[in-house]
Amino acid sequence: ETGVTQSPTHLIKTRGQQVTLRCSSQSGHNTVSWYQQALGQGPQFIFQYYREEENGRGNFPPRFSGLQFPNYSSELNVNALELDDSALYLCASSPNPQQQETQYFGPGTRLLVL
Amino acid sequence: AQSVTQLGSHVSVSEGALVLLRCNYSSSVPPYLFWYVQYPNQGLQLLLKYTSAATLVKGINGFEAEFKKSETSFHLTKPSAHMSDAAEYFCAVSPSGAGSYQLTFGKGTKLSVIP
Repeated sequence: ETGVTQSPTHLIKTRGQQVTLRCSSQSGHNTVSWYQQALGQGPQFIFQYYREEENGRGNFPPRFSGLQFPNYSSELNVNALELDDSALYLCASSPNPQQQETQYFGPGTRLLVL
Repeated sequence: AQSVTQLGSHVSVSEGALVLLRCNYSSSVPPYLFWYVQYPNQGLQLLLKYTSAATLVKGINGFEAEFKKSETSFHLTKPSAHMSDAAEYFCAVSPSGAGSYQLTFGKGTKLSVIP
């Protein structure tokens, strides 16, 4: 069974640029959530996708957007990058969007904005 | 709104000693509770979760946690620390009532194990 994978592992961008991060969910999982983890902090919920529809969003501005594809893989897009966007971005998949369901995390993409 | 407080950003224990990592939650209804572990440069791995069944939950690697509603706590323990337990630990809460499905995490506790 393949776990959650993310690409790229590291990325360096400059302020104002746009970035796309990718996530492949675990086999059999139809729900993907994205989290931002700033240095020294716990992960913060960005949004969740269930069967290609946004199923909940945290307190992030609209320049953070996402997609989920028919194979349940997902993308996180961030426009107009700011220095504070530098963080580890974590993708997590689960078999369904039930609140007690375990979320399985990928290794993350570390984004540095200069 | 729900929140999680982890007391102590850094905890040091000797190898073989008891590990106790504290987590208190704030929620209008008893939530679902999770403990995750993060090793350096890795994602998060689930240790255990409470989903309103038994209040004492056993997880992987010898960890366990007890849900105490009266204290709004879900502390993580392990009887005997091992060097491989050195990592960062996150407590998280998910609402059990209506609402969006998301995990709210604490700020984490970094566990150091002294040989």
